Amino acid sequence: EAQVTQNPRYLITVTGKKLTVTCSQNMNHEYMSWYRQDPGLGLRQIYYSMNVEVTDKGDVPEGYKVSRKEKRNFPLILESPSPNQTSLYFCASRGRERRNEQFFGPGTRLTVL
Amino acid sequence: AQSVAQPEDQVNVAEGNPLTVKCTYSVSGNPYLFWYVQYPNRGLQFLLKYITGDNLVKGSYGFEAEFNKSQTSFHLKKPSALVSDSALYFCAVRDMKRTDKLIFGTGTRLQVFP
Repeated sequence: EAQVTQNPRYLITVTGKKLTVTCSQNMNHEYMSWYRQDPGLGLRQIYYSMNVEVTDKGDVPEGYKVSRKEKRNFPLILESPSPNQTSLYFCASRGRERRNEQFFGPGTRLTVL
Repeated sequence: AQSVAQPEDQVNVAEGNPLTVKCTYSVSGNPYLFWYVQYPNRGLQFLLKYITGDNLVKGSYGFEAEFNKSQTSFHLKKPSALVSDSALYFCAVRDMKRTDKLIFGTGTRLQVFP
């Protein structure tokens, strides 16, 4: 089954404790993105990647890092989480051919105390 | 600046009645428009898209959307609502400069009452 998976689905942590949210897709997609969803703001793009070893900032990159060492994986790293990063995070991917179809993961709900 | 507006935070409708969830957009050029739905504790699911062609687009679960260029709108519709349609709906437009990026509206919560 074609899908985007994220882990963990739920995470409660404390300020300053480094964490990583993993994202993996099995569709051989070139493009991958991270979004955060906040009430009243919709979804905003954090980082994106156009292919292996190619990443760039989205609209709200502060406090986040990403890496793309393999095509299927695109982890989101919070080196020193803060309470304002409490949010619902979505990973998305799309292929080069079907440019208008983005597939979203199930989401990761992060709480930073 | 490119943007999408969903003017209603919540829409309430009785089961069996028609529903409309509103969306307006602001982009230069021809827009690529999308609707996504988010059920509780689930990720975003694609409903439908408008790229070009017929202004009335049909999608999943009996939903359809009408593209209106003069009014810059892309309202989501369904002739007969179901309680199971209750969810959070997002309208989005593809960024004209970065095709991998979607610009989302703030979302509209649809509540269908039995």
